Amino acid sequence: ETGVTQTPRHLVMGMTNKKSLKCEQHLGHNAMYWYKQSAKKPLELMFVYSLEERVENNSVPSRFSPECPNSSHLFLHLHTLQPEDSALYLCASGLRDRDYEQYFGPGTRLTVT
Amino acid sequence: DQQVKQNSPSLSVQEGRISILNCDYTNSMFDYFLWYKKYPAEGPTFLISISSIKDKNEDGRFTVFLNKSAKHLSLHIVPSQPGDSAVYFCAASGGMEYGNKLVFGAGTILRVKS
Repeated sequence: ETGVTQTPRHLVMGMTNKKSLKCEQHLGHNAMYWYKQSAKKPLELMFVYSLEERVENNSVPSRFSPECPNSSHLFLHLHTLQPEDSALYLCASGLRDRDYEQYFGPGTRLTVT
Repeated sequence: DQQVKQNSPSLSVQEGRISILNCDYTNSMFDYFLWYKKYPAEGPTFLISISSIKDKNEDGRFTVFLNKSAKHLSLHIVPSQPGDSAVYFCAASGGMEYGNKLVFGAGTILRVKS
C-alpha cells in the first residue's frame, strides 16, 4: 500500500475510554505530524516528529499522547477525552528539510460521547 | 488570532468559468505559500505552491498569484470543472526559522456546477 494510511477511519468513544489512532506512511519520509480539524476552523497542528523525535507539541492537553516508534509509524493515544475533542484527526508526513509539502492521510473521524 | 484567513467559506462557479479563491495572511515572515485540495473522506492533497520571491506560479489550469505588499494570495482555476468541487485550504510557511510548520486557513468550499 502506498501513501499515508490511517486507522480507524471512524471512532466513537466514551469519555472514560482509552483508544489509539494509527498512522503509517510508505513514502520514505522522515517527519510526521498530527493535525486536528474541527468544523469550520483551520487545521491545527498538534505534534511534529522529526527523525522519530518529538520536536513540537503545540500546547496539546495531556489526554492526547503521541508515539513514534519508527519513521513509518505514528500513534495518537487517547484517554479521558472530552466531547469538544470530537473532530477529524489528520496525520501527515514529509521530508524534514522540505516539510512545507506535506502528504496527508484520509483522517480519523472521532466522536466523543 | 488567525494568521492565515480565507474569508469566503464557500464559492459557487459555473463549469468552464474561472474560480478565484482568496487568502490573506498577517505574518510578514511567511515566505512560502501552498494550496491544498480536500475531497470528502480524504486528506488534503498538495495542489500548488509559490515562493515569496515570485508573484505568480502556474501549473496547468491552476495559477497562484502572490501580492506581498497586500499580504494576499489567490488561486485561479480556469476553466473550472465539476471535479474541482472540493475544499481548498491555503497554507503558509515561515521556512526553517519557523521549523517549516504550516499554518492553514479555514478552507473555502468550491462547488462547480455543470
